[in-house]
Amino acid sequence: DAGITQSPRHKVTETGTPVTLRCHQTENHRYMYWYRQDPGHGLRLIHYSYGVKDTDKGEVSDGYSVSRSKTEDFLLTLESATSSQTSVYFCAISNLGGSEAFFGQGTRLTVV
Amino acid sequence: AQKVTQAQTEISVVEKEDVTLDCVYETRDTTYYLFWYKQPPSGELVFLIRRNSFDEQNEISGRYSWNFQKSTSSFNFTITASQVVDSAVYFCALSESGANSKLTFGKGITLSVRP
Repeated sequence: DAGITQSPRHKVTETGTPVTLRCHQTENHRYMYWYRQDPGHGLRLIHYSYGVKDTDKGEVSDGYSVSRSKTEDFLLTLESATSSQTSVYFCAISNLGGSEAFFGQGTRLTVV
Repeated sequence: AQKVTQAQTEISVVEKEDVTLDCVYETRDTTYYLFWYKQPPSGELVFLIRRNSFDEQNEISGRYSWNFQKSTSSFNFTITASQVVDSAVYFCALSESGANSKLTFGKGITLSVRP
């Protein structure tokens, strides 16, 4: 299994509070991604990184920011959580263009 | 823009039946990659297969087989002699060349295999 861990695994937070999710990899893969999974939508890309300090937006990036200061860590921040951001968040990694992505275990975030 | 359509949302079969999960994709690229992932009830996403656009050979892996047809932009997945452990959500995904390996997913198909 690819060495990729997400923390926390579960979180309940209040509307308006900041939240940071962490993704850590031990594979030295170049690409890292944050997806969210919602019923009826499959998985949708939030942000991704193609190198240290190199990030870009995905299709559902509003309300989210990311940072990658080291190869192994990719942080997803909700600056001010809203109920619409209640979801399951998956981090993924891949190495070469077109290669398969490996996913973390997911983080279930509930915003109340 | 790339798009993946999984028109089937839920499929229910009895154990030992064969079942085919459909996937239709759209892309303007001539070089692209197709994937299937499995998400069992435990929630993790498990990679099953990767296909590039230049390789239309069908693939078989045990009870699983994949049929890639560029003429119909389809990448279908067949499970032969289904088992209860095959119960999961199955996602088809597409990645375009030069797109930093970003995946576009279909909405998933929930497969229930009844004993």
